[in-house]
Amino acid sequence: GAGVSQSPRYKVAKRGQDVALRCDPISGHVSLFWYQQALGQGPEFLTYFQNEAQLDKSGLPSDRFFAERPEGSVSTLKIQRTQQEDSAVYLCASSPQGHSSGANVLTFGAGSRLTVL
Amino acid sequence: AQKITQTQPGMFVQEKEAVTLDCTYDTSDQSYGLFWYKQPSSGEMIFLIYQGSYDEQNATEGRYSLNFQKARKSANLVISASQLGDSAMYFCAMREGRAAGNKLTFGGGTRVLVKP
Repeated sequence: GAGVSQSPRYKVAKRGQDVALRCDPISGHVSLFWYQQALGQGPEFLTYFQNEAQLDKSGLPSDRFFAERPEGSVSTLKIQRTQQEDSAVYLCASSPQGHSSGANVLTFGAGSRLTVL
Repeated sequence: AQKITQTQPGMFVQEKEAVTLDCTYDTSDQSYGLFWYKQPSSGEMIFLIYQGSYDEQNATEGRYSLNFQKARKSANLVISASQLGDSAMYFCAMREGRAAGNKLTFGGGTRVLVKP
């Protein structure tokens, strides 16, 4: 697609429910990132994929958070037994290459806003 | 310690005037990259400008320029001739040399409101 697409844009969950957030990156992009953005703050890194391999999951806050990218394109972030502190915007970003370079700019989606009641 | 610090939580600027957004960073890497992103109320992060640590000249992209002072570890964004559409959150971010892919660390952001 032309940009990074995320769904749903808005999700309201009751505490304890499981949620799944989807990211459809730009076609052909090797790298895919998930970030969590609390209200009024900057995005915080959650996890990184290079193709289907999850190379860095150091930012996942607990074992209730799980991400996958089985075929190296679409990715899903799953949060089990949601809690109120999980309320945030979840941003997905992709970039064309797997290495760090100036030309390898991250393109972000519009985010999925999760509210846990 | 914070890797990226943006000390201005919010600021007003008059339309058509220039505004400088402050950003300081902390890294021990020799190779790193500095980025600025804009986040309007719609939520999407929009890439504005990039500066590499080895770039000798300050980066410019249209009305955006990055005032890079390596010794002071600062990477301030200058927006010239502000427009109403510039009202948004602005985030400074850094990619350190060891970061896989293009992993970015973000600052807390500065909210800019352009007044007509």
